[in-house]
Amino acid sequence: AQSVTQLDSQVPVFEEAPVELRCNYSSSVSVYLFWYVQYPNQGLQLLLKYLSGSTLVKGINGFEAEFNKSQTSFHLRKPSVHISDTAEYFCAVPLAAGNKLTFGGGTRVLVKP
Amino acid sequence: KAGVTQTPRYLIKTRGQQVTLSCSPISGHRSVSWYQQTPGQGLQFLFEYFSETQRNKGNFPGRFSGRQFSNSRSEMNVSTLELGDSALYLCASSLSSGGETQYFGPGTRLLVL
Repeated sequence: AQSVTQLDSQVPVFEEAPVELRCNYSSSVSVYLFWYVQYPNQGLQLLLKYLSGSTLVKGINGFEAEFNKSQTSFHLRKPSVHISDTAEYFCAVPLAAGNKLTFGGGTRVLVKP
Repeated sequence: KAGVTQTPRYLIKTRGQQVTLSCSPISGHRSVSWYQQTPGQGLQFLFEYFSETQRNKGNFPGRFSGRQFSNSRSEMNVSTLELGDSALYLCASSLSSGGETQYFGPGTRLLVL
């Protein structure tokens, strides 16, 4: 069975500093990988996805993630955060069949001025 | 294109009642999935419908049910509500069923008193 682990539940960071959110997955098959962001009182918005090809994936709002098969990781990074990046971030993996997404526990990012 | 819409956005019910939530997918999307989000359990998959057929089901009691109509709109129903059913219910749509990118609606926040 696939599972997703987000190693940090909360990440405080100062404005304009870099941030990295860690995600590890367990899977014995090829995977698709997703990062979603959830702003307060909203649904989930797709940040980026890895389906195949280049292991460095660029997403919206200046975020990028790198797929590392040997380490089964898909860490999310942003070189310089803004106050507006304060949100909760979820890493997700679909099961091999269908669209059942398994989510990590989420990482709450708090950007401080 | 309009995004995924969910109605109602907020709902208050009492224990023992039943509730029906509605989801309209992005035009052209044929798969609709439902998720429950709670502070304690995080994001959990409820079920997926594709072409009016349930494709996948999560680990929830039979009180949780759903259906999909020929226009791909979906409803989920929860009968005999319990306090623990208080949650944000998110609907997601995708073009088909197979690990496709899922696009989420804003959610319906259900409070059971």
